[in-house]
Amino acid sequence: AQSVTQLGSHVSVSEGALVLLRCNYSSSVPPYLFWYVQYPNQGLQLLLKYTSAATLVKGINGFEAEFKKSETSFHLTKPSAHMSDAAEYFCAVSITGQGAQKLVFGQGTRLTINP
Amino acid sequence: GAGVSQTPSNKVTEKGKYVELRCDPISGHTALYWYRQSLGQGPEFLIYFQGTGAADDSGLPNDRFFAVRPEGSVSTLKIQRTERGDSAVYLCASSRGGEQFFGPGTRLTVL
Repeated sequence: AQSVTQLGSHVSVSEGALVLLRCNYSSSVPPYLFWYVQYPNQGLQLLLKYTSAATLVKGINGFEAEFKKSETSFHLTKPSAHMSDAAEYFCAVSITGQGAQKLVFGQGTRLTINP
Repeated sequence: GAGVSQTPSNKVTEKGKYVELRCDPISGHTALYWYRQSLGQGPEFLIYFQGTGAADDSGLPNDRFFAVRPEGSVSTLKIQRTERGDSAVYLCASSRGGEQFFGPGTRLTVL
């Protein structure tokens, strides 16, 4: 069964520092992988997705993620953190069946940016 | 409307009561999903509609939970005999077969 594990429920970085949020997946088939961001009292917003094209995926707000099959990882990075990046981030894998693309989410990582 | 809307934004109820949560998807989106997000957890899939029919309800935790989408647009998630463990944020998402667009959720608190 497909699943994702996010290492670190809380990550804190200084403004301007590198952001690295870790995600490892388990899947018996080539996965579709996603990163979502959730701001307080708002819905989940798609940051980026991997669908078996390029292994380095660029998303919105300067984020990118690299799919590494050998490591079963899909870590999210941003070179320089902004205060506005403070939010909850979720990694997800898609399960396709019965016409649906159900998303299986990790537990989330709360990112705090220190001034 | 530009996005998925959910009402109410907050619902407080007492144990044993019945509640209904509403989702208005993006116009033209045929697929609709319900997820439940418990405190400190990622969202968990509940049910998926394609048009009016529930194509996959494998995530519903028990028979107290039921959802409908009678005209293929608005959906209502219904919870009977609520329990304290039902307290969570209930998220709705819609899509046209690709990216899922999420609503802001309904925070349900069962006292």
